[in-house]
Amino acid sequence: IAGITQAPTSQILAAGRRMTLRCTQDMRHNAMYWYRQDLGLGLRLIHYSNTAGTTGKGEVPDGYSVSRANTDDFPLTLASAVPSQTSVYFCASSDLSGGPYNEQFFGPGTRLTVL
Amino acid sequence: GQNIDQPTEMTATEGAIVQINCTYQTSGFNGLFWYQQHAGEAPTFLSYNVLDGLEEKGRFSSFLSRSKGYSYLLLKELQMKDSASYLCAVVDSNYQLIWGAGTKLIIKP
Repeated sequence: IAGITQAPTSQILAAGRRMTLRCTQDMRHNAMYWYRQDLGLGLRLIHYSNTAGTTGKGEVPDGYSVSRANTDDFPLTLASAVPSQTSVYFCASSDLSGGPYNEQFFGPGTRLTVL
Repeated sequence: GQNIDQPTEMTATEGAIVQINCTYQTSGFNGLFWYQQHAGEAPTFLSYNVLDGLEEKGRFSSFLSRSKGYSYLLLKELQMKDSASYLCAVVDSNYQLIWGAGTKLIIKP
């Protein structure tokens, strides 16, 4: 593994189903993030975690949950998917130990379609 | 509220110069990033400015004026591979990145 990996690459999901998007990083970064990217709206933060064991809500958290049991993994769960959650999902990580310089490194993304 | 503004789309000619502007209003300021994102791919880091002035890195330069809440990305000697979206992001007082919607740059031969 080099950098950040996400799985699956793409998924078509029936509305009402539960889905977990996986994200793993091997850079030992303390902070991790989940974004969704929709045409014309840019990247919107769903949830974040500044360190293992803690999580926080971003701009658009409703309908999503996260956990951060260890440094490397940061799964995103849709408890009951709805069509408005159709989007491209990016996981990112950064090293916040040095202060506010928050260069974020992104995974390749998961393209999710909810029908 | 927090707001980042960039033009939606720009067109330029191969070999020319293009300037992509970004204006921002955020709660606090701890720096400004520019990222490049090719279609269907993840964003990748281009530059970071925290002090006023111009930072040059090869064909790409980034400028910041904190008093004006303004930044621009300057791309010189444009190549077809520069066709991409360019994302402006500000680090706010909580160290979170606030993202603009991105500028889609189209390069024509």
